[in-house]
Amino acid sequence: AQSVAQPEDQVNVAEGNPLTVKCTYSVSGNPYLFWYVQYPNRGLQFLLKYITGDNLVKGSYGFEAEFNKSQTSFHLKKPSALVSDSALYFCAVRGGSARQLTFGSGTQLTVLP
Amino acid sequence: EPEVTQTPSHQVTQMGQEVILRCVPISNHLYFYWYRQILGQKVEFLVSFYNNEISEKSEIFDDQFSVERPDGSNFTLKIRSTKLEDSAMYFCASSSYMGANQPQHFGDGTRLSIL
Repeated sequence: AQSVAQPEDQVNVAEGNPLTVKCTYSVSGNPYLFWYVQYPNRGLQFLLKYITGDNLVKGSYGFEAEFNKSQTSFHLKKPSALVSDSALYFCAVRGGSARQLTFGSGTQLTVLP
Repeated sequence: EPEVTQTPSHQVTQMGQEVILRCVPISNHLYFYWYRQILGQKVEFLVSFYNNEISEKSEIFDDQFSVERPDGSNFTLKIRSTKLEDSAMYFCASSSYMGANQPQHFGDGTRLSIL
């Protein structure tokens, strides 16, 4: 079975400061990791993915994520947060023979002006 | 940019009634999915669909659920006899290839309210 944990329900950060949204995972075999963002009354929007290769992956809107195999983590980061980054962020994993995405519980990011 | 579109945005139905949720996946995509999100809970996988048949389904996807691709563009989720606990946001997604490295693209969802 595969699972994802997002230990923080809520993350608050001041505009211009770096942000981190945490994610850890459990999966059989090689993990395929994804971050999605959800704005109010909208669907899940793909941000970035890790499949293989460099541990630091870059995605949309200046976001990046760092894959750490030993810690089974895939934290989302951005060097300088914007108020418009305020949204609900979901980490997701696929692994082994599974086709389905397994999502974490989501982290509400609030960027304060 | 191509989008997955879902209709209706909000569906209110009496318990025990049948409901059909509709989705138009991205046009060149081959793989289709339904997920649901009960208020305050995780996004949960329901079913995946390829080549006119179900590829995978979760334990949530029991006999009251069915999916269909009735024509070349639509992908539907039918709930035969709705229960109160079916109230949730239902998301349709599609991907161009079922390889694990392809992201799934999601619609904005249908909010299903069972009375």
